[in-house]
Amino acid sequence: GEDVEQSLFLSVREGDSSVINCTYTDSSSTYLYWYKQEPGAGLQLLTYIFSNMDMKQDQRLTVLLNKKDKHLSLRIADTQTGDSAIYFCAGSGYSTLTFGKGTMLLVSP
Amino acid sequence: DTGVSQDPRHKITKRGQNVTFRCDPISEHNRLYWYRQTLGQGPEFLTYFQNEAQLEKSRLLSDRFSAERPKGSFSTLEIQRTEQGDSAMYLCASSLKGLNTEAFFGQGTRLTVV
Repeated sequence: GEDVEQSLFLSVREGDSSVINCTYTDSSSTYLYWYKQEPGAGLQLLTYIFSNMDMKQDQRLTVLLNKKDKHLSLRIADTQTGDSAIYFCAGSGYSTLTFGKGTMLLVSP
Repeated sequence: DTGVSQDPRHKITKRGQNVTFRCDPISEHNRLYWYRQTLGQGPEFLTYFQNEAQLEKSRLLSDRFSAERPKGSFSTLEIQRTEQGDSAMYLCASSLKGLNTEAFFGQGTRLTVV
């Protein structure tokens, strides 16, 4: 089955860019997703990328996909304190999602 | 429709008791999923329904776990004879049928077994 790995923690200053990285094992994942989870809340879909794309940009978010290395990254431009949360990458199976352990992003003023 | 609703938000139970959680999906969504999330981990898939049919249940953690969606609308997840290791957040999500349709998550039910 799919295995998804993420770095556990990232700390940045407000206004800097944040880059959160993820590696996955199952090259058959059709879509790869980034979810955000704030304390005590459910998961919010931020963006996704189709597996035959290399890059997707959505306002402050840029997703890069390196299929050869099975590496996915999420770049957040001009990071704000409100971006502090846990970010999960997930790969799509037949009808389910396999999540990484999450990266805690801490944004300091 | 305000999104996926889960009830209760929190449940504390004694070891050995049975618990049941409810999930109300977004009304037009025909797929409903249950995930479990333990501290410091990502959500782990348990089971899913398409309408009233339970299409995948092999990932339910043990035979103490069962789920139903009798009329293809709301769903319940039951844990019998709870153990301390069952303490976790139980998340429900719903989506339309399709290869890439966004799964909307509820806020979860936090279970504490004492």
